Amino acid sequence: EAGVAQSPRYKIIEKRQSVAFWCNPISGHATLYWYQQILGQGPKLLIQFQNNGVVDDSQLPKDRFSAERLKGVDSTLKIQPAKLEDSAVYLCASRAGGGSYNEQFFGPGTRLTVL
Amino acid sequence: DAKTTQPPSMDCAEGRAANLPCNHSTISGNEYVYWYRQIHSQGPQYIIHGLKNNETNEMASLIITEDRKSSTLILPHATLRDTAVYYCIVKSNTGNQFYFGTGTSLTVIP
Repeated sequence: EAGVAQSPRYKIIEKRQSVAFWCNPISGHATLYWYQQILGQGPKLLIQFQNNGVVDDSQLPKDRFSAERLKGVDSTLKIQPAKLEDSAVYLCASRAGGGSYNEQFFGPGTRLTVL
Repeated sequence: DAKTTQPPSMDCAEGRAANLPCNHSTISGNEYVYWYRQIHSQGPQYIIHGLKNNETNEMASLIITEDRKSSTLILPHATLRDTAVYYCIVKSNTGNQFYFGTGTSLTVIP
């Protein structure tokens, strides 16, 4: 079974530039998550999708971050414009569905450096 | 959502059991305890989860106290590859959200 795919793996941009990350979840997984992980901290949930609908985006800085999951499969996370404090690893995870027996599977992450 | 408290770091000798504690004193009756680990430069990896009873799988054992206010993850024979940050998470009972804390950094020493 193929895992969660993310690209790019690394990205360096200057502040005020825009950047986009892509995630392809495990086939058939209805739930998709984007997390932000700042160095030395645990992952912080940014947004959760169920199919192509948003379940929770309460911690997404909506003035600069946006995310979409068209057709309920792939997802993109965009930052526009980027700030220095956005430097982090952005993790995508997917889960088959609700209930207690469906674990989250994480991708390798995209490491963003904002200069 | 219930919060969890973990020690920031622990060491364990290779081949010995690693016992990682977690406090979750505000856990609700229908919330599960999950454990994930994150090896350097990788995404988190699921280990085990439980509600009330102790659980065991090929990776680890999970011991949950009777009052459910704390739990212990046990790696029975730690190897160098078990060096990682271990996260104890209490799963929200709505929306399937997972909230990670700062975890315990486990170092397995040769």
